[in-house]
Amino acid sequence: TQLLEQSPQFLSIQEGENLTVYCNSSSVFSSLQWYRQEPGEGPVLLVTVVTGGEVKKLKRLTFQFGDARKDSSLHITAAQPGDTGLYLCAGGLGDYKLSFGAGTTVTVRA
Amino acid sequence: DSGVTQTPKHLITATGQRVTLRCSPRSGDLSVYWYQQSLDQGLQFLIQYYNGEERAKGNILERFSAQQFPDLHSELNLSSLELGDSALYFCASSPTSGPGAFFGQGTRLTVV
Repeated sequence: TQLLEQSPQFLSIQEGENLTVYCNSSSVFSSLQWYRQEPGEGPVLLVTVVTGGEVKKLKRLTFQFGDARKDSSLHITAAQPGDTGLYLCAGGLGDYKLSFGAGTTVTVRA
Repeated sequence: DSGVTQTPKHLITATGQRVTLRCSPRSGDLSVYWYQQSLDQGLQFLIQYYNGEERAKGNILERFSAQQFPDLHSELNLSSLELGDSALYFCASSPTSGPGAFFGQGTRLTVV
């Protein structure tokens, strides 16, 4: 059973479209991180959010941490083929164990 | 390149055998984390070391053990291997004792 539920599991869109990936939990996290992983590679950290309600923008990516620190979303504007990958959210627990969601596989078609 | 180095990249071994996976963290990072990634379980936290001491433990089997050496590199030892241990094993490091952020490229272990 995953502590963090990600949705959707798969997402396929056309280049130029927008997309949103969700990460939800019944637990409160001290921090939440988003990673992108490509086949055969390790996850690459995109962002860390620590404050409830926090919004961070990284070029075309917007990350939001829920007010209660139980959920988060990742929004990509004008997606490009280079955005293709497995997006993972991870919640930091009090003793620093990171709990990962199962991931959302995003495919951006040219 | 994250700066975290894992060796070997691939490992094929038989059931019942013992293997050692090695991780060199980024320069200056004191914290090392080990994760297991399989298709059915996703990315699972195994164990964390901080400056040579065990800091946190996750879903690590008793057949598995790890240590962090004075030069901060870490090793994950897997013994009495079973088919179900086949997975990608990742090491991550961070400068503080907080959640690990920089992952290595992983070791793909195949138990036959």
